[in-house]
Amino acid sequence: KAGVTQTPRYLIKTRGQQVTLSCSPISGHRSVSWYQQTPGQGLQFLFEYFSETQRNKGNFPGRFSGRQFSNSRSEMNVSTLELGDSALYLCASSLGSGLTDTQYFGPGTRLTVL
Amino acid sequence: QKEVEQDPGPLSVPEGAIVSLNCTYSNSAFQYFMWYRQYSRKGPELLMYTYSSGNKEDGRFTAQVDKSSKYISLFIRDSQPSDSATYLCAMINAGNNRKLIWGLGTSLAVNP
Repeated sequence: KAGVTQTPRYLIKTRGQQVTLSCSPISGHRSVSWYQQTPGQGLQFLFEYFSETQRNKGNFPGRFSGRQFSNSRSEMNVSTLELGDSALYLCASSLGSGLTDTQYFGPGTRLTVL
Repeated sequence: QKEVEQDPGPLSVPEGAIVSLNCTYSNSAFQYFMWYRQYSRKGPELLMYTYSSGNKEDGRFTAQVDKSSKYISLFIRDSQPSDSATYLCAMINAGNNRKLIWGLGTSLAVNP
């Protein structure tokens, strides 16, 4: 079974631009979560989608948004990029959104904001 | 103060050593505790998942949870160079949906 795929793997943008990242979950998985990983803050939860509905949201500004499509693929968008948005963005999928549903992570998208 | 504290290391050990990795936390509502391993340029992968206090063993890995001390540990026996990675602890407050709260990760190098 193919794992979680994320595209693109690397991205360089300038301040003020916007960016869209894509995540394809493992086949059959209906839950997709997004995380931001930085050396200083570690992994921070952005949001979780299940069956096209946002189930949970972290403490990020409204510039960060996401959506999930009927095939469970998900995108996240960051508008008006800031230097501090440079990070590894990780997507994780799971069968369901229960507490014991294991999350499987993709390799991430490395975003650099100049 | 962060909800979950983890010494970032780096930790360097010889092959075959017993490795002890630890996290402390402040929120007594955490009930589910996880250890993930992250290799360079990869996403985290789940190693161990425990609920409440106690021990759980899986091969060379043992996870311990001490809720009274708000302290969790991961032990790696007979460590191998392939264990070289960053180890992250994560926790869930069951009353807060599935928002995982993560430690910063400990970088481990196992030297042949």
